[in-house]
Amino acid sequence: AQSVTQLGSHVSVSEGALVLLRCNYSSSVPPYLFWYVQYPNQGLQLLLKYTSAATLVKGINGFEAEFKKSETSFHLTKPSAHMSDAAEYFCAVSGGFKTIFGAGTRLFVKA
Amino acid sequence: DGGITQSPKYLFRKEGQNVTLSCEQNLNHDAMYWYRQDPGQGLRLIYYSQIVNDFQKGDIAEGYSVSREKKESFPLTVTSAQKNPTAFYLCASSIGTEQETQYFGPGTRLLVL
Repeated sequence: AQSVTQLGSHVSVSEGALVLLRCNYSSSVPPYLFWYVQYPNQGLQLLLKYTSAATLVKGINGFEAEFKKSETSFHLTKPSAHMSDAAEYFCAVSGGFKTIFGAGTRLFVKA
Repeated sequence: DGGITQSPKYLFRKEGQNVTLSCEQNLNHDAMYWYRQDPGQGLRLIYYSQIVNDFQKGDIAEGYSVSREKKESFPLTVTSAQKNPTAFYLCASSIGTEQETQYFGPGTRLLVL
């Protein structure tokens, strides 16, 4: 069985500060891991995807995530937050026919 | 431009009424999915289809029905048996079902009158 836990339903940072969104997963098979972003009243779009080729994955808009098997984590980071990063972020795991999504973390960016 | 379209953007349902949400894709993807999104609960899978004329129940299929008569289309019907239909509904597609990136439509918000 697979599952995803996102720590913190809300995260608030100041503009220019580090963004860190936490994700832990559980999977009985080697996982494919994803981060998606959702802006208000829109669908989800892919930020980045881990496929076992490299543990540090770079995505769009300056985001990156590091796969740590020993910690079963796939945390999302960005060195410097921008106002346009305010959105909801979903971590997801896929090891077969279904993709399991976390509950989401809403990122607030303060000016 | 390739993508996924969903219509309508907002839909109102009366008690005892069935309503149908449209989802169309021109990405030539084999797999399509319907998710329900409620605040604080992430996305929950309603139905998915790996190929035309075939579909499987997801985690919360009760009160919903789908069809997949064409590769491009995967409509979702919310039946009167669904007692709490108010939610944001998202359609997605992927090349195949295993471990592939899913591409999402803009969503339909269903409200009950």
